[in-house]
Amino acid sequence: DGGITQSPKYLFRKEGQNVTLSCEQNLNHDAMYWYRQDPGQGLRLIYYSQIVNDFQKGDIAEGYSVSREKKESFPLTVTSAQKNPTAFYLCASSINADLNTEAFFGQGTRLTVV
Amino acid sequence: KQEVTQIPAALSVPEGENLVLNCSFTDSAIYNLQWFRQDPGKGLTSLLLIQSSQREQTSGRLNASLDKSSGRSTLYIAASQPGDSATYLCAVISNDYKLSFGAGTTVTVRA
Repeated sequence: DGGITQSPKYLFRKEGQNVTLSCEQNLNHDAMYWYRQDPGQGLRLIYYSQIVNDFQKGDIAEGYSVSREKKESFPLTVTSAQKNPTAFYLCASSINADLNTEAFFGQGTRLTVV
Repeated sequence: KQEVTQIPAALSVPEGENLVLNCSFTDSAIYNLQWFRQDPGKGLTSLLLIQSSQREQTSGRLNASLDKSSGRSTLYIAASQPGDSATYLCAVISNDYKLSFGAGTTVTVRA
C-alpha cells in the first residue's frame, strides 16, 4: 500500500555521534519535507526538497543535513553540531511544490540523546 | 514571517458535545490551510484541506471554515466521541512553499 515510511521508530544517539533518519515514499510525490516537533511547540521546518537533487534550508537547518538523490528517498542526518537533538522528527511529502496540494506525513522517529 | 496560533491549548468535553477549535494566522496571503489530527507518539493524519478560494470544507462530522481576510479558521466536530480525543493541528502554506504550524489543541472527550 502507498504511503510514507520513516525508520527507525525509536533512535538513540550518543553525544558526538551523527545519526541518519530514513524517509521513503511510494506516492510518486516530488516534494518532501523534514519537521521537528518539541513538546508544546508547533512543527518546525528543518529542510525541504521540491525536486530530486535539490533542497533548501528551513527555519532550523543548523546541525542537520539532507540529500535527495532519488525521488522516493529523503534521508535526514542529525550531526554532532546539533546541540539539542532530542525530539520527534516527522517527514512529509506532497505531489509537487504547487501551493495547493495536500501534505501527507509519516509516523515519525523519536530521537533521544543518551 | 507567518505565525499560527491555536487557542485553547487544551479542551475537555463530555461525549456528544460539539467541538469548536480555533486557528489564527498573521499573514492572510496564504494558498491553503490544512487541519491534521495527531495521536500520542504518532504522525499526522490529514483531515481537511481548504484552498484559499474556498470558505469551507466538510468531511463526515468535520467541518472547517476559512476567513482569509481576518486570518482565521475554525474546525467543528459534531457529536464528539471518545475516539475523537487527540491533538488537532492547523497549518497554512504561504508563497514560500512552507507549511507553518500552530502548536495544536489537545482534545479530551469524556465518556
